[in-house]
Amino acid sequence: GAVVSQHPSWVICKSGTSVKIECRSLDFQATTMFWYRQFPKQSLMLMATSNEGSKATYEQGVEKDKFLINHASLTLSTLTVTSAHPEDSSFYICSAVRTRNWEQFFGPGTRLTVL
Amino acid sequence: AQRVTQPEKLLSVFKGAPVELKCNYSYSGSPELFWYVQYSRQRLQLLLRHISRESIKGFTADLNKGETSFHLKKPFAQEEDSAMYYCALSSGGSNYKLTFGKGTLLTVNP
Repeated sequence: GAVVSQHPSWVICKSGTSVKIECRSLDFQATTMFWYRQFPKQSLMLMATSNEGSKATYEQGVEKDKFLINHASLTLSTLTVTSAHPEDSSFYICSAVRTRNWEQFFGPGTRLTVL
Repeated sequence: AQRVTQPEKLLSVFKGAPVELKCNYSYSGSPELFWYVQYSRQRLQLLLRHISRESIKGFTADLNKGETSFHLKKPFAQEEDSAMYYCALSSGGSNYKLTFGKGTLLTVNP
């Protein structure tokens, strides 16, 4: 099956620091990946579309300078939360699209806590 | 704008009872509809999509364009069906972006 991993699975950082989260498709290539944010007991909110070799496309209301996305290879996309603040604390989930049948496969998520 | 509505936050049934999780959508074109499931402490995974017309784990869902609905049904619920269920929509084709509903937490009691 198609597997998507995320690293780290959880991270605690101080306010003002930057945190990088990796999303990897382990056994397939993904030209398109997505980054979502999920608040406790709420649905997934799409933050941005990550396209290999080009700039990410951000959803309305998502600060591109705060949430930097880099999709440098067909199996890796990274999300960097810059100058993190407590309100950035959340569960961040990525997904990767397998073009064979256009199905999205989700990573296990990364729990970010900003102190 | 596209929107997915799941009117029930919580749904509780007894084992063996039928279950229906409601999903309504608004979209001007021809959308693709999906049901995703998230079991406790596990990642989100695809349960079924309307274009495949499959039955997965006994669940079925029919796209009703007239009522703009994509309700998920199972005739006999099992305890292992307890999970969070999300209905999602994409505009189809090469646009893979998904819009999720708020989810319904299904609890199947013994």
